Amino acid sequence: DIQMTQSPSSLSASVGDRVTITCRASQGISNYLAWYQQKPGKVPKILIYAASTLQSGVPSRFSGSGSGTDFTLTISSLQPEDVATYYCQKYNSAPLTFGGGTKVEIK
Amino acid sequence: EVQLVESGGGLVKPGGSLRLSCAVSGFTFSSYSMNWVRQAPGKGLEWVSSISSSGGYIYYADSVKGRFTISRDNAKNSLYLQMNSLRAEDTAVYYCARVGKEGAPYYYMDVWGKGTTVTVSS
Repeated sequence: DIQMTQSPSSLSASVGDRVTITCRASQGISNYLAWYQQKPGKVPKILIYAASTLQSGVPSRFSGSGSGTDFTLTISSLQPEDVATYYCQKYNSAPLTFGGGTKVEIK
Repeated sequence: EVQLVESGGGLVKPGGSLRLSCAVSGFTFSSYSMNWVRQAPGKGLEWVSSISSSGGYIYYADSVKGRFTISRDNAKNSLYLQMNSLRAEDTAVYYCARVGKEGAPYYYMDVWGKGTTVTVSS
């Protein structure tokens, strides 16, 4: 099975900072990658699918890139409401594995 | 409004069984594949199982294969997860989630329920 590895597992940044989270697949998955945001005590929310397509209603400060095995989620200017854990997920085939998550905090 | 509402969680002893339900509304349930995803306390998301729109294609995580059974009733707009031989490590919030593309057997998940909590403990 394909493994999904996220890094870092946590980060602390200042408001306005550019934040980058990476996700690596152990084998190529083309662009079948999604990013989710889960705020504390809340349900996961889809941010990006097809590696780089922003879900409707998601702020444009979020962006995704990558293909094959290496992917990134970027927050161009971190806002207080972005405090959350972010997960990547592959969906090219079952099992639909999630990455371990990246917890983003404000410094 | 698209809604997914899980029910059926609770406290169960190791080795016991539980059946989760997910009642959906606001979209054509029979056109979408569905998933169960769980989250153990303080841990990350774990995909559990998927079922295609007609029920003809079913997939399980290795951690639950042989113990859990996913099913659906398109006439009742409902998704189910029968959980047998439960273990302490099955303790989690269980979410049902819709795939983001009509007709796709699996895809990203665009709509999630609020979850139901399963606790396996003696």
